[in-house]
Amino acid sequence: NAGVTQTPKFRVLKTGQSMTLLCAQDMNHEYMYWYRQDPGMGLRLIHYSVGEGTTAKGEVPDGYNVSRLKKQNFLLGLESAAPSQTSVYFCASSYDLGLAGGYEQYFGPGTRLTVT
Amino acid sequence: AQSVAQPEDQVNVAEGNPLTVKCTYSVSGNPYLFWYVQYPNRGLQFLLKYITGDNLVKGSYGFEAEFNKSQTSFHLKKPSALVSDSALYFCAVRDIENQGGKLIFGQGTELSVKP
Repeated sequence: NAGVTQTPKFRVLKTGQSMTLLCAQDMNHEYMYWYRQDPGMGLRLIHYSVGEGTTAKGEVPDGYNVSRLKKQNFLLGLESAAPSQTSVYFCASSYDLGLAGGYEQYFGPGTRLTVT
Repeated sequence: AQSVAQPEDQVNVAEGNPLTVKCTYSVSGNPYLFWYVQYPNRGLQFLLKYITGDNLVKGSYGFEAEFNKSQTSFHLKKPSALVSDSALYFCAVRDIENQGGKLIFGQGTELSVKP
């Protein structure tokens, strides 16, 4: 049971280049999330998904797109990278909340992205 | 609006002393509260949560947290700190006003435990 994995671990892009970050989970979780972490700002939600084939915007969605074609995978795309997107990106997943709402999120190890 | 605040950017504690990392929240209904820890160059690890029930919640690595509804606080505590507890700690509250089970995170508190 690998939990949540992310590829790649590190990446350097030039302004205007594109890339896709892959998140995979093997816990059969319904919900998946993409966050970015910047110093002094905690974690901010970019996009999330409540099930296969569904996605929704989070707090800071501009400049990013996502897809959830398979339940276990959640892809984050940058179409035209900008220096402001230099950050550490974390993927997370959790069980369907139902009426309980109390399931914790499980996080991947992160992807460190630098845009020059 | 829902929010979480961690009023201290950094907490310094001597090994063996008790530690407290503070968290206050603002939500419209009953809160679902979480603590996570992040070691350098790693992802966040779940420590404990409060959903309902006893106000004192016990979690991983000897940590516990006390839910105080009147003070809208959820402080993280440990009776005896270890050097290995040095890390970045995040408090979070579940967004209950919108779909998706999103977490709203505090800005994080850097805990430094010195020998």
